[in-house]
Amino acid sequence: GAVVSQHPSRVICKSGTSVKIECRSLDFQATTMFWYRQFPKKSLMLMATSNEGSKATYEQGVEKDKFLINHASLTLSTLTVTSAHPEDSSFYICSLAGTSGRTDTQYFGPGTRLTVL
Amino acid sequence: DAKTTQPNSMESNEEEPVHLPCNHSTISGTDYIHWYRQLPSQGPEYVIHGLTSNVNNRMASLAIAEDRKSSTLILHRATLRDAAVYYCILLGGSGGSNYKLTFGKGTLLTVNP
Repeated sequence: GAVVSQHPSRVICKSGTSVKIECRSLDFQATTMFWYRQFPKKSLMLMATSNEGSKATYEQGVEKDKFLINHASLTLSTLTVTSAHPEDSSFYICSLAGTSGRTDTQYFGPGTRLTVL
Repeated sequence: DAKTTQPNSMESNEEEPVHLPCNHSTISGTDYIHWYRQLPSQGPEYVIHGLTSNVNNRMASLAIAEDRKSSTLILHRATLRDAAVYYCILLGGSGGSNYKLTFGKGTLLTVNP
């Protein structure tokens, strides 16, 4: 299966700063990438769907101006949390999908744990 | 979207088989049944998926009821490394995006040594 990396794995930042998280596909060209977040002891919640070369589609309740997504190539998508606040502290996970839709496996990154002080 | 229902938690002993159930009574004819698992502090990992027929791979087996309203993920010999949250997810076919995985609470599997 595809190998997905995320960088950084952990980040601690001060309130009000912006944080960029990278999601890379090491061996797979992903036309579609997803960004999820997971609060402690909760399930994953989809934040947005990112298509290469076009604007991301955000889920209801997710602020697109706060969570900036750039999917500039088939192997890289970035999520920038702008003006982060303590309530943005969470586990952020990306995944890749192929082109077969509902028969496709999604490949997940290892996650990035963001702590905002 | 069609929903799935799973027990909150299950326990197993090492090297014994584990049967993780999932109910999906409102499944549509074109929904695929996917299973993912998430180990502590890691991203989810694909386990298996199927449509109508039972499926086997190196990780697990998926048994799908004839009416497709339920399915069971079978781990043939549980190991300590199988301790994780297991998610049963229906994908596509019911009008929404074919790609989107909607994670429920899943089943927390504990494996005792």
